[in-house]
Amino acid sequence: GQQVMQIPQYQHVQEGEDFTTYCNSSTTLSNIQWYKQRPGGHPVFLIQLVKSGEVKKQKRLTFQFGEAKKNSSLHITATQTTDVGTYFCAGRGRNYQLIWGAGTKLIIKP
Amino acid sequence: EPEVTQTPSHQVTQMGQEVILRCVPISNHLYFYWYRQILGQKVEFLVSFYNNEISEKSEIFDDQFSVERPDGSNFTLKIRSTKLEDSAMYFCASSDVGGGNQPQHFGDGTRLSIL
Repeated sequence: GQQVMQIPQYQHVQEGEDFTTYCNSSTTLSNIQWYKQRPGGHPVFLIQLVKSGEVKKQKRLTFQFGEAKKNSSLHITATQTTDVGTYFCAGRGRNYQLIWGAGTKLIIKP
Repeated sequence: EPEVTQTPSHQVTQMGQEVILRCVPISNHLYFYWYRQILGQKVEFLVSFYNNEISEKSEIFDDQFSVERPDGSNFTLKIRSTKLEDSAMYFCASSDVGGGNQPQHFGDGTRLSIL
């Protein structure tokens, strides 16, 4: 079946360093959504990308959707402690439901 | 801002017992979802519901599971005979448009612990 692979599983960064997570789909996606889950919390919608090659920014967060609409990335510039959490991508596939990646946990080194 | 509310926040149940998890979706939303997240793992889709019927379900959603919208506001997930491996956080979500086109709004979840 359709899968969305997300890497890395964890990323440890010093505060102020950048963070990137990548999602790859086995098939073309109609759109891709990104969610953030704080420790102990629930997923919260961040953004949706629809167009091939689309790039969207939210302050220090940059989201990209690949030209072939099979991959996406989230890049955070100069991480802060408030960025801690797990970032999930979720792509809309053939069956119109969201297919979730496994998430990348952002950990700030003490 | 409107919220999805879930009750209870934590449910402890003996193996083999039935549990009902309750959700009140956002009032003008039409599409409802249940997800499961085993501790520290990925969010797993269970089922989506629209117009009083299941629109999509995953392999996890077997005959032990059922969903219902008993009235105009509640959306429930029932597990008939719980197993140890059902222990997880269960999230309810809703959206105003289905098909993965709009953001899904999640509740705070119910932590289900099977003893």
